[in-house]
Amino acid sequence: GESVGLHLPTLSVQEGDNSIINCAYSNSASDYFIWYKQESGKGPQFIIDIRSNMDKRQGQRVTVLLNKTVKHLSLQIAATQPGDSAVYFCAERRAAGNKLTFGGGTRVLVKP
Amino acid sequence: DTGVSQDPRHKITKRGQNVTFRCDPISEHNRLYWYRQTLGQGPEFLTYFQNEAQLEKSRLLSDRFSAERPKGSFSTLEIQRTEQGDSAMYLCASSLAGDRGSYFGPGTRLTVT
Repeated sequence: GESVGLHLPTLSVQEGDNSIINCAYSNSASDYFIWYKQESGKGPQFIIDIRSNMDKRQGQRVTVLLNKTVKHLSLQIAATQPGDSAVYFCAERRAAGNKLTFGGGTRVLVKP
Repeated sequence: DTGVSQDPRHKITKRGQNVTFRCDPISEHNRLYWYRQTLGQGPEFLTYFQNEAQLEKSRLLSDRFSAERPKGSFSTLEIQRTEQGDSAMYLCASSLAGDRGSYFGPGTRLTVT
C-alpha cells in the first residue's frame, strides 16, 4: 500500500556537525512533502515543506531535498544544536483535504 | 496562546469506560484533523472536518469512535467502551484550506487500564 517510511530509527550527531535524515515514500500522487519535529510530550511542529515539482528548498539551517526518481526525501540540518534533539517525521500531503500520511520517525540525539 | 489547544492533556481510564477529548483549533482555521499516535510511530489520520462538516473518516475510526465539530470551531472526540488498544496520544491539528501543513496541538495521552 501507500506508505512513507524512514531508513534509520536513531541518529547520533556531534553538536556542530550536520545531520541528514532520510525518508522513502511510495505515493507519487502527493503534492507536498513535509518535515515535522516532535519533542517529548509535544505535538509535531512544522519545519519545512517542499512541493512535489521541486527538488530542493532551503530554510533557516535546514534544507530539504526531493528525488522523485527514487522516491526519496531528506532533511539536512546544518550545525546541529542540542535543541535539535527530537524525533523527526516526514509526511506526505494529498491535495484533497490536506490529510497527512506520516512515516515512523527518526530520533536525533545531539552529543555535546 | 493562539495555537491549537487540547484538553485534557492526560487521561487514565478503566477499560469499558467512555472518554471525551476536546480540541480548540487556531481561531481562523476552517479545517480540523484528529490523529492518533502510538509510541515510536508517526501520527495516523483518523478524521477531518471542514467547518462543521466531517469530510473523511479513516478505517481506523471504529464505530466506538465519534467526532463532532458542531459549530465549526472546537471539536470533540469520544471513545466509547474503551479498550487497552485505544491507549495512545490523540493529536488534533488545524489548518486553512490553502495551507500546506497543519498545526498540531500538544495532544491528549490516553491510558486505558
